[in-house]
Amino acid sequence: AQTVTQSQPEMSVQEAETVTLSCTYDTSESDYYLFWYKQPPSRQMILVIRQEAYKQQNATENRFSVNFQKAAKSFSLKISDSQLGDAAMYFCAYRGPYSGGGADGLTFGKGTHLIIQP
Amino acid sequence: SAVISQKPSRDICQRGTSLTIQCQVDSQVTMMFWYRQQPGQSLTLIATANQGSEATYESGFVIDKFPISRPNLTFSTLTVSNMSPEDSSIYLCSVGQGHNQPQHFGDGTRLSIL
Repeated sequence: AQTVTQSQPEMSVQEAETVTLSCTYDTSESDYYLFWYKQPPSRQMILVIRQEAYKQQNATENRFSVNFQKAAKSFSLKISDSQLGDAAMYFCAYRGPYSGGGADGLTFGKGTHLIIQP
Repeated sequence: SAVISQKPSRDICQRGTSLTIQCQVDSQVTMMFWYRQQPGQSLTLIATANQGSEATYESGFVIDKFPISRPNLTFSTLTVSNMSPEDSSIYLCSVGQGHNQPQHFGDGTRLSIL
């Protein structure tokens, strides 16, 4: 079974600074998808960014970018110019190739609690 | 992305009872999923809700405990049966428009069992 590991239970960063959240995963597949989701105290899961494994170029969404290292099975999230609204739990998630049979969900890491210091 | 509404948003239930959670989407979606998030934990996939057929359950989850319906492409329900305090969690519905599309989540249902 695939596993997703987030080794940082909590991270703290000063407002306007840059922070990197780590994620590693274990899979024997070559075609898969990786995601970062954000969960603020309101508990809504919000998609931050996604990466297709077949794409070598790292995904970027405004202040959010990833460093995808396929060989190392690493997928870190960089948040630039951190803002107070970025404070939340951040979950890394994996989705394997479609296998049919009706099962197609996400495997999540345990999450990193990001604190923004004003 | 689709607007996903979950009802109820929260509930407090007595042990031994059952509760049905509804997930309504404002557009037709190919895939619907149910996740559980235990207190302070990550999300765990319960099952994939397939339209017109039985749900596909993940290891550790069974249909008798978590029956799921998906009568059409915009609606699904999850029932938590014979509840115990260990079932106290947030239950989240998510939807997707295909395997190569991201999943989007509802606001979740916070369930507490006394």
